[in-house]
Amino acid sequence: EAGVAQSPRYKIIEKRQSVAFWCNPISGHATLYWYQQILGQGPKLLIQFQNNGVVDDSQLPKDRFSAERLKGVDSTLKIQPAKLEDSAVYLCASSQRRIMNTEAFFGQGTRLTVV
Amino acid sequence: AQSVTQLDSQVPVFEEAPVELRCNYSSSVSVYLFWYVQYPNQGLQLLLKYLSGSTLVESINGFEAEFNKSQTSFHLRKPSVHISDTAEYFCAVSWPQYMKTSYDKVIFGPGTSLSVIP
Repeated sequence: EAGVAQSPRYKIIEKRQSVAFWCNPISGHATLYWYQQILGQGPKLLIQFQNNGVVDDSQLPKDRFSAERLKGVDSTLKIQPAKLEDSAVYLCASSQRRIMNTEAFFGQGTRLTVV
Repeated sequence: AQSVTQLDSQVPVFEEAPVELRCNYSSSVSVYLFWYVQYPNQGLQLLLKYLSGSTLVESINGFEAEFNKSQTSFHLRKPSVHISDTAEYFCAVSWPQYMKTSYDKVIFGPGTSLSVIP
C-alpha cells in the first residue's frame, strides 16, 4: 500500500512569512497526526484529527498555526506568520484505529527553515 | 501526567558489541509501547511494539524489547550491533481511548542517538 505522502520536502522562508504543508495519509486511515520535531528532540504532537474532526490541538500555537482536514482525507498545516523558532521538521502520520493496535505510519516530513 | 523518558541522549558503541537503550514511562493505566527508528534524512519507522501477551517482543533485524510493568520500562536491546543500526531511536507510548474518549493519545520520548563505531 502507498505510504503517507508529504510535500514539500524542504522549505526555506523568512520570518513573518507564511507557509503551508500538505499531507495525504494512507487510504482508509481515520486518524491523522501532525508532529513538530525540533532538532535533537522527539516529535511533539501539534494536532490530531479523527476523520475530519479535531480531537486534540492542545499543543498547537493557535495564534499562528492552523490545520484542516477536508473530507476526512488529506490535510494542510499552515503557519502565519512564521518565527525563527518554528524551524523544525513537520511530520505527518496516520493510523487505522483498530482494537489493540494504534501503530502510526509516518511520512518523510517537511524540513522548514525560517531565516 | 503522562510522560516518556529516555535517559540516554547519545549512545556510542563499537560494532558487534551489545547495546541497551532505555525507556521509562509514567502512567496509572494500561498502555501500548513502541520503538521507532529514524535513519538520517528519513521518516520514522516502527521497529517493534508491545500490545499485550508476552512481555518480550522482537523485531526482524535482531532488536528486542522487554515490557516491565512494575518498573514501567520498555528497554530496547540488541546483542550485536551493526554499522547500519546507526540512527535515532524513539520510544513512544499510546494510551488507548485516552481518558475514556474515543481517540488514542501517543507521546514520544526525546530520542536516543545510537552511533555504531567501526
